[in-house]
Amino acid sequence: QSVLTQPPSASGTPGQRVTISCSGSSSNIGSDFVNWYQQLPGTAPKLLMYSNNQRPSGVPDRFSGSKSGTSASLAISGLQSEDEAEYYCAAWDDSLNVWVFGGGTKLTVL
Amino acid sequence: EVQLVESGGGLVQPGGSLRLSCAASGFTLSTYWMSWVRQAPGKGLEWVANIKQDGSERYYVDSVKGRFTISRDNAKRSLFLQMDSLRAEDTAVYYCARGWYFEYWGQGTLVTVSS
Repeated sequence: QSVLTQPPSASGTPGQRVTISCSGSSSNIGSDFVNWYQQLPGTAPKLLMYSNNQRPSGVPDRFSGSKSGTSASLAISGLQSEDEAEYYCAAWDDSLNVWVFGGGTKLTVL
Repeated sequence: EVQLVESGGGLVQPGGSLRLSCAASGFTLSTYWMSWVRQAPGKGLEWVANIKQDGSERYYVDSVKGRFTISRDNAKRSLFLQMDSLRAEDTAVYYCARGWYFEYWGQGTLVTVSS
């Protein structure tokens, strides 16, 4: 049971917009930044979004992030086949002094 | 180019020990927090431990406290994870990751705890 809650799966067709949610609590998302990671099949995770809505260099602007209260979301617009991957949210938990991850959302491009 | 290369994984019996290493290149290790993150087969990501730039602060997930020790040697550009009293549930790919936000990840090293 992960501390952050994500839907196990999401799907969309090419060109569509999909969103992935991440729900936490006042001690993690509610008090700190949220980051998102993309893990393509058989590869190491990659930082996709940090500080709620900041994209590292090289990440397309089709990806966007937001946070409100104790929840966060990752949105992917103009969905492409290469976006098919597992997506994880993460945040520092101020009361536990640990990083906590969501359980991951497997995105399927139909 | 930033590179993180883990090594030291393998098969170990329950109760045994392993020492993982992460060789860093392409950046100055001493300026970054570093972490270990693991992924059990077919499962999600789990943060294990992190260590401040000078080693003065270290944090661990509860399940490894007292059994795992994270350390670093900035001069040798290396991060370590000493894993003792290993359990079957520690079986996973272990990744080292750079920075507070895990901006870069290594390719991982597989640790299998089994008799």
